[in-house]
Amino acid sequence: GQNIDQPTEMTATEGAIVQINCTYQTSGFNGLFWYQQHAGEAPTFLSYNVLDGLEEKGRFSSFLSRSKGYSYLLLKELQMKDSASYLCAAMDSNYQLIWGAGTKLIIKP
Amino acid sequence: GAVVSQHPSWVICKSGTSVKIECRSLDFQATTMFWYRQFPKQSLMLMATSNEGSKATYEQGVEKDKFLINHASLTLSTLTVTSAHPEDSSFYICSARGSGGIYEQYFGPGTRLTVT
Repeated sequence: GQNIDQPTEMTATEGAIVQINCTYQTSGFNGLFWYQQHAGEAPTFLSYNVLDGLEEKGRFSSFLSRSKGYSYLLLKELQMKDSASYLCAAMDSNYQLIWGAGTKLIIKP
Repeated sequence: GAVVSQHPSWVICKSGTSVKIECRSLDFQATTMFWYRQFPKQSLMLMATSNEGSKATYEQGVEKDKFLINHASLTLSTLTVTSAHPEDSSFYICSARGSGGIYEQYFGPGTRLTVT
């Protein structure tokens, strides 16, 4: 079957770095997405990886290893506004997104 | 960037009535639209996928006669919750995908439905 695993909750300190891991199993693979979702709001796109390696975009970076079925989202210089849920989603061979349950990130001062 | 709007942003209705939610892609043509439901503190649950001009494909366990989806144009999809019950109270989110690019889904702001 198809499955996405990511931690339920993580806590980090303002100004620090945090890495949110995601492992996936899908029927075929057309890329890995990360979305940010603040409470009561819709998800917003953060990143897309389809090739192995690290993609950096400002304070956020995303990494993919296709052979390991593994991705991570790295957030640097954490700010209080980064407190949100982070959703990992893998696109299968039918171009359908398979969603993880989300990781709630709590930032403490 | 691509913008998707949803209307209404919140709605309260009485049990037994029907509610229609609109999803519009404002600056691109959405060949595919998706409808999700999200209960508090839970992840997105895909309800159905619709392609313009064809019938929606519903996920297992989603009643197609209760959740009517119409994707009549490349910029508009509607979800009608028929004979709503309190357990239908949820956050309904649509997303849209264009025909090119990286197959990114652009999300609408969501509609919070409360059935009393």
